[in-house]
Amino acid sequence: SQTIHQWPATLVQPVGSPLSLECTVEGTSNPNLYWYRQAAGRGLQLLFYSVGIGQISSEVPQNLSASRPQDRQFILSSKKLLLSDSGFYLCAWTPGQGAGYTFGSGTRLTVV
Amino acid sequence: GDSVTQMEGPVTLSEEAFLTINCTYTATGYPSLFWYVQYPGEGLQLLLKATKADDKGSNKGFEATYRKETTSFHLEKGSVQVSDSAVYFCAVSFFSGYALNFGKGTSLLVTP
Repeated sequence: SQTIHQWPATLVQPVGSPLSLECTVEGTSNPNLYWYRQAAGRGLQLLFYSVGIGQISSEVPQNLSASRPQDRQFILSSKKLLLSDSGFYLCAWTPGQGAGYTFGSGTRLTVV
Repeated sequence: GDSVTQMEGPVTLSEEAFLTINCTYTATGYPSLFWYVQYPGEGLQLLLKATKADDKGSNKGFEATYRKETTSFHLEKGSVQVSDSAVYFCAVSFFSGYALNFGKGTSLLVTP
C-alpha cells in the first residue's frame, strides 16, 4: 500500500534561518507531488507541484523553493525564513486526475 | 480562473442535528470534486469525492452530489455526532498538474 511520510512534525526556527522540509511517498511510482500551506485561520494555499523528477511549478511567488531530487521525494526549502512563513505545511500526492489526493500529517512551522 | 466558494463558519450544531455545508465552484471543463476533513492538529483526510456530473460521493454518513447545472457540491449529513467536529474543505481539481484548489474551510463544532 502507498504511504506518505512528512517530517518534522513541528519546527521552531528563528527569522533568517534556513528551512528544509522533506516528504517521501512509498508504494507508488511517478506520483504528482504537492506542497500546500495553511496559515492560521485560513484555507490551504498551493505552493508548488511536481509531475516528475526535476519538474517544479510554483503557484505563489515567495522566498520558498521546492525540489524533487528523486521520483518519490519532494523537498520544501528556504534560505532565509520570514515571520510570515509560519504555518502548517502539508505535502500531498496523487497518481492522477480524479484519483484522490493523500496528504501527509503536516509540519507546523513557527518562525520566531 | 478556477475557484471554490465555501460557506463561512464556524457552524455550531447540537448532536443529531442535520448538517449542510454549501460549496460552489467555477471551473472549465469537468473537474473532479472532493470534500476533505481536518481534525484538530492533524493533516487532511479525504472524506468523499465525485468525478462526474450526478455522481454522489458518500462516506461515514456524509454525502455530496456533483451538480453541474448549479456547479455545486454541498456536503450533508443527517445526524451529526460530537466526533464530527472538525474543519471541512471543499476542493476542485483542475488540469494543470492536477492540483487541488481548496475552499477556505468551514469549521464545524457539534455539542452534546
